[in-house]
Amino acid sequence: DVKVTQSSRYLVKRTGEKVFLECVQDMDHENMFWYRQDPGLGLRLIYFSYDVKMKEKGDIPEGYSVSREKKERFSLILESASTNQTSMYLCASLDRLNSPLHFGNGTRLTVT
Amino acid sequence: KNEVEQSPQNLTAQEGEFITINCSYSVGISALHWLQQHPGGGIVSLFMLSSGKKKHGRLIATINIQEKHSSLHITASHPRDSAVYICAVGGTGTASKLTFGTGTRLQVTL
Repeated sequence: DVKVTQSSRYLVKRTGEKVFLECVQDMDHENMFWYRQDPGLGLRLIYFSYDVKMKEKGDIPEGYSVSREKKERFSLILESASTNQTSMYLCASLDRLNSPLHFGNGTRLTVT
Repeated sequence: KNEVEQSPQNLTAQEGEFITINCSYSVGISALHWLQQHPGGGIVSLFMLSSGKKKHGRLIATINIQEKHSSLHITASHPRDSAVYICAVGGTGTASKLTFGTGTRLQVTL
């Protein structure tokens, strides 16, 4: 069965800290995504990657960067965490266009 | 950019009722996804549609490409169906061009 694993379920960080969110998929999917989910705003795309070492900005990339050194792992980095980055972060993977999305369980990040 | 609207935003039903959640979008798409998120849980893909109708258990999803509209139906609803249901549409370009609705919160009571 398909599995997308996010390293932390809950995370509390201080303003200014560098934060790493990890996502691993075991399906050999080319495409991986990082979204944030906020009440009333739905899911918004931060970054995505369609291959190893390839990345593209989504709709809200400011304050974030990503890394994809291996096909199965896609990391989201908050260079200097701020309180407005408090959110639920969801990783997803996709085999190809027009195939089902597979989501991780999410990381609820609180920045104080 | 595609605009995705879901209705209703909130829905309360009694166990056994037939439920319909609607999704409309503004621009032609390659596929439409219905997703489910239980409280405190991750997001699960229910359906992916590009035309017609799909059925899985008590869930039925339909899409009308000409009218740019999709519906998710739940027959014989049950409290375990209580969740947020999210519609997402995929553009005709890359897989990244998914636009999400803000979700419909369903509460099914006994």
